Amino acid sequence: SQTIHQWPATLVQPVGSPLSLECTVEGTSNPNLYWYRQAAGRGLQLLFYSVGIGQISSEVPQNLSASRPQDRQFILSSKKLLLSDSGFYLCAWETAGYNSPLHFGNGTRLTVT
Amino acid sequence: GIQVEQSPPDLILQEGANSTLRCNFSDSVNNLQWFHQNPWGQLINLFYIPSGTKQNGRLSATTVATERYSLLYISSSQTTDSGVYFCAVVKFRDFGNEKLTFGTGTRLTIIP
Repeated sequence: SQTIHQWPATLVQPVGSPLSLECTVEGTSNPNLYWYRQAAGRGLQLLFYSVGIGQISSEVPQNLSASRPQDRQFILSSKKLLLSDSGFYLCAWETAGYNSPLHFGNGTRLTVT
Repeated sequence: GIQVEQSPPDLILQEGANSTLRCNFSDSVNNLQWFHQNPWGQLINLFYIPSGTKQNGRLSATTVATERYSLLYISSSQTTDSGVYFCAVVKFRDFGNEKLTFGTGTRLTIIP
């Protein structure tokens, strides 16, 4: 069966420090991969999605970037964190193709101080 | 883009009660999903239901695509049903933009 791993679960980082969040999927090949952010008590904002290795689409211009170095690995990065980058970050995957269920990782709660 | 509205925004019920959550969308869709986010933030996919009716235990969902709405039913609610329920859709034939658009959610609180 397919599983998605996301780490770390929580992270406290100072302003100006770098960020690297990692997500991996097991049990499937060539998934579509997504990074979402959720501010406290708010809805989900799509940040990046990827349909293949090295293929990244950005939905919102911001202080973050994403990379997909391997088929089932998706990384969210920042060179210098801002206070506004605080939030709950969720990785998600779906079977490539057309209209399949979306499955989320457990998320990373990031606090920038 | 497509608009997704969920109602009610908040719902407080006694344990054992039944509830109906609604999702309205502004255009034709070929993908509709319901998610539950528990109080710890974990998001679980409940249903993939672009049309018709599905049931999974105490939960069921119905999508009437021609009238642009979907309903999520929770029967005999339990405290573990608490959390936020999200509806998400993909607009029909929105080629090159087949990503889910999420509603703002319904926050359900079940009181023991």
